[in-house]
Amino acid sequence: AQKITQTQPGMFVQEKEAVTLDCTYDTSDQSYGLFWYKQPSSGEMIFLIYQGSYDEQNATEGRYSLNFQKARKSANLVISASQLGDSAMYFCAMREPINNAGNMLTFGGGTRLMVKP
Amino acid sequence: DAGVIQSPRHEVTEMGQEVTLRCKPISGHNSLFWYRQTMMRGLELLIYFNNNVPIDDSGMPEDRFSAKMPNASFSTLKIQPSEPRDSAVYFCASSPSTQVRNQPQHFGDGTRLSIL
Repeated sequence: AQKITQTQPGMFVQEKEAVTLDCTYDTSDQSYGLFWYKQPSSGEMIFLIYQGSYDEQNATEGRYSLNFQKARKSANLVISASQLGDSAMYFCAMREPINNAGNMLTFGGGTRLMVKP
Repeated sequence: DAGVIQSPRHEVTEMGQEVTLRCKPISGHNSLFWYRQTMMRGLELLIYFNNNVPIDDSGMPEDRFSAKMPNASFSTLKIQPSEPRDSAVYFCASSPSTQVRNQPQHFGDGTRLSIL
């Protein structure tokens, strides 16, 4: 069984500064994928970034980047130049294959990020 | 392109009533997922369909919960009879070919269910 741990229930960051949201995972699979989602107060789940276990470089998408440390089983999300609109819940999730019939995501408990003006 | 469409957005009903939540996945996506989100338990996968066939329903909490996917463009999650502890936000998500590993799941806006 796999597990996703997000140790920071809540965080503050000053506008325009960078922030790192932690995510550690536990799996015995060699092939897996890690996803980050954002959930603003309006409730929708927005996909941000993906990192594959065999990807040699850290994923980047605009102001989002992933600090992927495979040996430590961590996949921390880095948000650069924080904006007020970044205030939201952030979820880390891991994909595992199901009998070659699909992919299931297991989610961490989330981190609530609050950006201060 | 339209995203995952869920209805209703909000549902308030009395305990004992039947509740039906609906989902239209993104066209061309062949995997569909139902999740439940609560403060206490976070996001939980309830059931997962691949090509309209249920693959994993181990997350369905009780026999009161049932899900169907009669065709590639429609799925329902039914609770009968409903109980106050079923109050939660229910999300539907879909993803394209599961053989492409980096494909994310795309979520609908959710149904906020309140059972009185």
